[in-house]
Amino acid sequence: EDKVVQSPLSLVVHEGDTVTLNCSYEVTNFRSLLWYKQEKKAPTFLFMLTSSGIEKKSGRLSSILDKKELFSILNITATQTGDSAIYLCARSGAGSYQLTFGKGTKLSVIP
Amino acid sequence: NAGVMQNPRHLVRRRGQEARLRCSPMKGHSHVYWYRQLPEEGLKFMVYLQKENIIDESGMPKERFSAEFPKEGPSILRIQQVVRGDSAAYFCASSPTGSMNTEAFFGQGTRLTVV
Repeated sequence: EDKVVQSPLSLVVHEGDTVTLNCSYEVTNFRSLLWYKQEKKAPTFLFMLTSSGIEKKSGRLSSILDKKELFSILNITATQTGDSAIYLCARSGAGSYQLTFGKGTKLSVIP
Repeated sequence: NAGVMQNPRHLVRRRGQEARLRCSPMKGHSHVYWYRQLPEEGLKFMVYLQKENIIDESGMPKERFSAEFPKEGPSILRIQQVVRGDSAAYFCASSPTGSMNTEAFFGQGTRLTVV
């Protein structure tokens, strides 16, 4: 079974801190790497990465993919309490409708 | 444009009963995917459907689980004779094409509790 491994599993930071979330994956039939934010409801899409070395950015969030080392990172700068959520990493394979998810990183941002 | 609508949001069933989970895709989306999230686990793919067709059900348990997406109406995930291990959050996603890419959106999920 294809695996996606996220680390750390949980993280507690203070507002204003910068965090880096990690995601490693197996390469079989890899197409893309996706990041989602889940706040007790629907996972909401953040980024999709297909090419190595190209940073995607949205406000305080950014993400990059390394296809050689088979990992991706999600950075959040100047964290706010509203960033508290579970961040999910998923990869799609040849069947691009079928995502394989990691267990997520639970981020808690305290004032 | 309403998002992916799932109902009910919460469902409690006794062991042995049937659970029916509904998913209405976003307008213009004809591809539906069901995922299950067990406690402390990541989401796991269950089934991919287009209107009136099951495209891939490789993630569905072989017994008691079935899914449909009729020509009219929502997609239904049906679990017969539920057991405690079926307790989970069931998410539906939809997309306009057969790809979970930037155009795919998840619903709010149905949290099934089997008592």
